[in-house]
Amino acid sequence: DVKVTQSSRYLVKRTGEKVFLECVQDMDHENMFWYRQDPGLGLRLIYFSYDVKMKEKGDIPEGYSVSREKKERFSLILESASTNQTSMYLCASSWGTSGEQFFGPGTRLTVL
Amino acid sequence: ILNVEQSPQSLHVQEGDSTNFTCSFPSSNFYALHWYRWETAKSPEALFVMTLNGDEKKKGRISATLNTKEGYSYLYIKGSQPEDSATYLCAFNTDKLIFGTGTRLQVFP
Repeated sequence: DVKVTQSSRYLVKRTGEKVFLECVQDMDHENMFWYRQDPGLGLRLIYFSYDVKMKEKGDIPEGYSVSREKKERFSLILESASTNQTSMYLCASSWGTSGEQFFGPGTRLTVL
Repeated sequence: ILNVEQSPQSLHVQEGDSTNFTCSFPSSNFYALHWYRWETAKSPEALFVMTLNGDEKKKGRISATLNTKEGYSYLYIKGSQPEDSATYLCAFNTDKLIFGTGTRLQVFP
């Protein structure tokens, strides 16, 4: 079974803190994605990566950065957390651009 | 901005009822249409990835159809069960996935 894991299920941080969300997949997928889910809105793409050391901005990249040093690991970084970044964050991975995406369990981040 | 719309937003049905919901998407630059099921406290899981106009896919009691020319897909659940309760997401595939806001289904025993 494909497994996508995320470092934390729940996280509470303070405004201005630097936050790292880690995602690891074990199926050698080339593509990895970070989304956020907010009530009343669909999953919105923050950043994605098609290969190691590659990154592409999604629809809402402002306030975020990413790192992909190894194929299996894709990190989302909030340089200076703000309250409007309180959300559910989901990581996903896939084969190819049209392959189904496999999602991690999500990290519910609260920024106080 | 590409828009994916799902309807209804939510649905409450009795066990045994059949139900269906709609996903509307842009009819140009189509690569694929994905359906996912997202149960509470779990990860979204892929149900179908559909690529061809007229395609029909089935998994148990759940099936989906695709019309790329007019830009819609239907998801059908036959004989709904309480374990079908979840949010059903569709996603339009260009070079990335654009998700709709989902249909939240609750099946009451």
